[in-house]
Amino acid sequence: AQSVTQLGSHVSVSEGALVLLRCNYSSSVPPYLFWYVQYPNQGLQLLLKYTTGATLVKGINGFEAEFKKSETSFHLTKPSAHMSDAAEYFCAVRPLKGAQKLVFGQGTRLTINP
Amino acid sequence: GAVVSQHPSWVICKSGTSVKIECRSLDFQATTMFWYRQFPKQSLMLMATSNEGSKATYEQGVEKDKFLINHASLTLSTLTVTSAHPEDSSFYICSAPNHRTGELFFGEGSRLTVL
Repeated sequence: AQSVTQLGSHVSVSEGALVLLRCNYSSSVPPYLFWYVQYPNQGLQLLLKYTTGATLVKGINGFEAEFKKSETSFHLTKPSAHMSDAAEYFCAVRPLKGAQKLVFGQGTRLTINP
Repeated sequence: GAVVSQHPSWVICKSGTSVKIECRSLDFQATTMFWYRQFPKQSLMLMATSNEGSKATYEQGVEKDKFLINHASLTLSTLTVTSAHPEDSSFYICSAPNHRTGELFFGEGSRLTVL
């Protein structure tokens, strides 16, 4: 069975600082990995995803994530935080050949300090 | 614009009543849709997989008679919370895969408050 662990339910950074949101997964088969962002009272917006190929994935809004199989990690980063990045971020996994059901991590709330 | 739409976005109802939430794929056909539930400050938990033309597949621990799912067409799935109680208050989110492109889209979510 697949599972996702996001380290840190709440991360706070200063505007302009590096953003690092951690995600580790467990999967018996090579997974697809996703990062979603959720603003208050809204659905989920896909930031980026890893399926196959290049392990460094670039997404929207300047975010990127690197798939590290040896570390079973898929951490999300952004070089310089913006106030508009304040939101809830979810890491998710699904089996390579499974249905499109996703297993989500617990979520990390990102706060940006002016 | 949104490619998966949920309606209503907000609903408040009295305890004991039933509430229906719709999930529509706007510009593609979806033979399956997924219903998630999200409690405040928590993650999304998959409730069930809605299958067009057949019965929904429920996750363990989800009451089938409580959460009725109907996938009446290739663009519409509905979730009916029957005899709602305050503990059913939550944020319900649907998703639908576009099998042609492989993309998965999420609805905007529906917040249910049961008084």
